[in-house]
Amino acid sequence: QVQLVQSGAEVKKPGSSVKVSCKASGGTFNTYTITWVRQAPGQGLEWMGGIIPIFGTANYAQEFQGRVTITADESTSTASMELSSLRSEDTAVYYCASRVVPKRGAFDSWGQGTLVTVSS
Amino acid sequence: AIQMTQSPSSLSASVGDRVTITCRASQGIRNDLGWYQQKPGKAPKLLIYLASSLQSGVPSRFSGSGSGTDFTLTISSLQPEDFATYYCLQDYTYPLTFGGGTKVEIK
Repeated sequence: QVQLVQSGAEVKKPGSSVKVSCKASGGTFNTYTITWVRQAPGQGLEWMGGIIPIFGTANYAQEFQGRVTITADESTSTASMELSSLRSEDTAVYYCASRVVPKRGAFDSWGQGTLVTVSS
Repeated sequence: AIQMTQSPSSLSASVGDRVTITCRASQGIRNDLGWYQQKPGKAPKLLIYLASSLQSGVPSRFSGSGSGTDFTLTISSLQPEDFATYYCLQDYTYPLTFGGGTKVEIK
């Protein structure tokens, strides 16, 4: 089972961008699907997008299209999620998670979460 | 996008109770569904994948069933450590979608 370690908390101004990284260890990075999920304070889980590193093509939720970019670097076993044009509603904990490609629904490894606070 | 309707949104139960949570998909998703438990301040934890497969290390009091559009998570005998929020996730097609969550509280 892969272990995922995310970058630290961020405080950002409205209109700026944030990039959160997710470093994997203990597994074969390119056999996984990496997904990004966020959780606003007191709210439920929201899927943002995902990527299969070996293919390199990301898929995104409609509500984030044009603002989010998910990438994966096989050489460092690191996935990243960049969100631009930040607004206060983007204040949330952002998680990366992984599953083995064929095991649908089985995101069994999660990062510790990264709190992103958007405030002027 | 596929909508996942989860019910109830909250419930109160006692230790030892049998608890059932349901998720309904707006279209068929085969059995490409997972169930997750989340405790405050923690990342979600996988309980069930492929609708009915128990994740390694998860107690056998948790079980999942269903296929197509209707899915159920059952806790056969609620334990103190099971008080948490539970989410379903459809992993059939992009965009992936979560249910709204069920908060299980102590009666």
